Amino acid sequence: AQSVTQPDIHITVSEGASLELRCNYSYGATPYLFWYVQSPGQGLQLLLKYFSGDTLVQGIKGFEAEFKRSQSSFNLRKPSVHWSDAAEYFCAAIPRGNKLIFGTGTLLAVQP
Amino acid sequence: GAVVSQHPSRVICKSGTSVKIECRSLDFQATTMFWYRQFPKKSLMLMATSNEGSKATYEQGVEKDKFLINHASLTLSTLTVTSAHPEDSSFYICSATPTGGNSYEQYFGPGTRLTVT
Repeated sequence: AQSVTQPDIHITVSEGASLELRCNYSYGATPYLFWYVQSPGQGLQLLLKYFSGDTLVQGIKGFEAEFKRSQSSFNLRKPSVHWSDAAEYFCAAIPRGNKLIFGTGTLLAVQP
Repeated sequence: GAVVSQHPSRVICKSGTSVKIECRSLDFQATTMFWYRQFPKKSLMLMATSNEGSKATYEQGVEKDKFLINHASLTLSTLTVTSAHPEDSSFYICSATPTGGNSYEQYFGPGTRLTVT
């Protein structure tokens, strides 16, 4: 079935460590790809998006993501995690039209 | 800019009653708004697409008579959960796409936690 997959339900990293959150999609054509962050009690905030062009995308809050067509992946990275980055992260795709399809999310915990 | 609000943020209602959730785009007009439902530890599932001045388009499996959507203005969409039951308890999130903007842009509200007792 066509979908967006986030293999890691929960990840814990130490503050200052690097972070990579995985996302894979299974659509025939490359969809538009997004990463959102959801903090407790808050709505989703767009971190970055990929439509076409340069496969390394820079976003807000120091995040970046790399689109790899060969792996059908769009992994989110940050070189140095801050305690305020603790939140839930959702990968999403628009395969056609304007309907966003979300992955199941990855909950990030940051240890001091 | 591009702020979307939801009201209420949290509501508790008794089984059998109806509850209305509002979604407002505060600083832009939105011809299209979306309603999502988020179950605990699950992803967001699109319930319906709301277009100003026309009937909403519901996703497969979503009861349109139970989840009434009204998009009467370019800044307001409402979701009414009718005859609510405990299984309707969930986190409901709306998003809005700016009129004339990129149709792939969605700005999300903070969500409404509905608890049906």
